[in-house]
Amino acid sequence: EPEVTQTPSHQVTQMGQEVILRCVPISNHLYFYWYRQILGQKVEFLVSFYNNEISEKSEIFDDQFSVERPDGSNFTLKIRSTKLEDSAMYFCASTEVSTDTQYFGPGTRLTVL
Amino acid sequence: AQSVAQPEDQVNVAEGNPLTVKCTYSVSGNPYLFWYVQYPNRGLQFLLKYITGDNLVKGSYGFEAEFNKSQTSFHLKKPSALVSDSALYFCALLNKFYFGSGTKLNVKP
Repeated sequence: EPEVTQTPSHQVTQMGQEVILRCVPISNHLYFYWYRQILGQKVEFLVSFYNNEISEKSEIFDDQFSVERPDGSNFTLKIRSTKLEDSAMYFCASTEVSTDTQYFGPGTRLTVL
Repeated sequence: AQSVAQPEDQVNVAEGNPLTVKCTYSVSGNPYLFWYVQYPNRGLQFLLKYITGDNLVKGSYGFEAEFNKSQTSFHLKKPSALVSDSALYFCALLNKFYFGSGTKLNVKP
């Protein structure tokens, strides 16, 4: 069964450093999403991406965040200058059509020191 | 305002007993409601959804949920709980990208 994959599973970085989180969505899916979950808290929407552009974003997704689909398979989330409060689990999701089930990857745990 | 609420942080049930995990929503327009389950250190696994059609939806692992428009609820149910059902359950209003705060289900043997 096809699944969303994410790398790395755990990323440790120093405050102020740039990180890139990578996702490989399910191959025939067209809509891609990033969410984050701070430890013990709810899942929060960051951004949705379709047709090579951002379709929606939340207030959390400020100028330090960016997303890219650099090739036909990867979908990345870049955080330019990490802050302590960026420490969280970051989930990628994808779906074939915008109204259908979003399938989530296993997540990347980002720890900012 | 659009939102999803899971009023219980934790639900405890004995194995073999029925379980209910509650979810209520607030949305303008039609809701696209989903339930996901999260096991420790794992991603979110899809259980079931309501977009349109029958109010009673059946999903994975014997779970079902009933969409109730008048009560704006989408409670998750299972007739007979298993210890392996113990996990964190999230209700989501995915057309607005809202997730509930999660309910930890503890099924005791």
